Amino acid sequence: KQEVTQIPAALSVPEGENLVLNCSFTDSAIYNLQWFRQDPGKGLTSLLLIQSSQREQTSGRLNASLDKSSGRSTLYIAASQPGDSATYLCAVVASGGSYIPTFGRGTSLIVHP
Amino acid sequence: DTAVSQTPKYLVTQMGNDKSIKCEQNLGHDTMYWYKQDSKKFLKIMFSYNNKELIINETVPNRFSPKSPDKAHLNLHINSLELGDSAVYFCASSQGLGQSSPLHFGNGTRLTVT
Repeated sequence: KQEVTQIPAALSVPEGENLVLNCSFTDSAIYNLQWFRQDPGKGLTSLLLIQSSQREQTSGRLNASLDKSSGRSTLYIAASQPGDSATYLCAVVASGGSYIPTFGRGTSLIVHP
Repeated sequence: DTAVSQTPKYLVTQMGNDKSIKCEQNLGHDTMYWYKQDSKKFLKIMFSYNNKELIINETVPNRFSPKSPDKAHLNLHINSLELGDSAVYFCASSQGLGQSSPLHFGNGTRLTVT
């Protein structure tokens, strides 16, 4: 059974720092991996989706990488801003199964001015 | 314009009552999901439907019964509510099983059982 772990659980940084959020998964046979952002009291917003055949995806100041063999993905946030404060979750879809996304517990990020 | 909409946003009720949460998506997606987010923010899959058919039913008490009248709707009915059912319930949709497309979430329904 796929297990997804996110480290750190919480992170507080000053504005302008470059950040790395980590996601690890136990079964490397994945179909895709998706990073989400969740603001308090809101649903999840998809940030980046990486197919199993890809190594990374970029959107603006966000870059997500995938290393299937080591069971890891990282979300890199460049030049962080207070508006980046949110919980970031990764979800993994295993291949050859029911294609149901399994979520990590998230990293709660605070960027202070 | 809302892609995935859930109603109600808040639901406060007493133990033993029966309640329903509705979900609709206007994205033309084939697959819909119900997730439960506990107090520690952990998202756990409850049900998944593909083209109105149940695909997965995780270890959820049979007091929870999903219903999909058509591809655009997936409702969740809960009988005999218990204190432990208090959580935020999220509906989501995706293009289809086996299609590598992003998940789209509703804003959640915060259920409080007293």
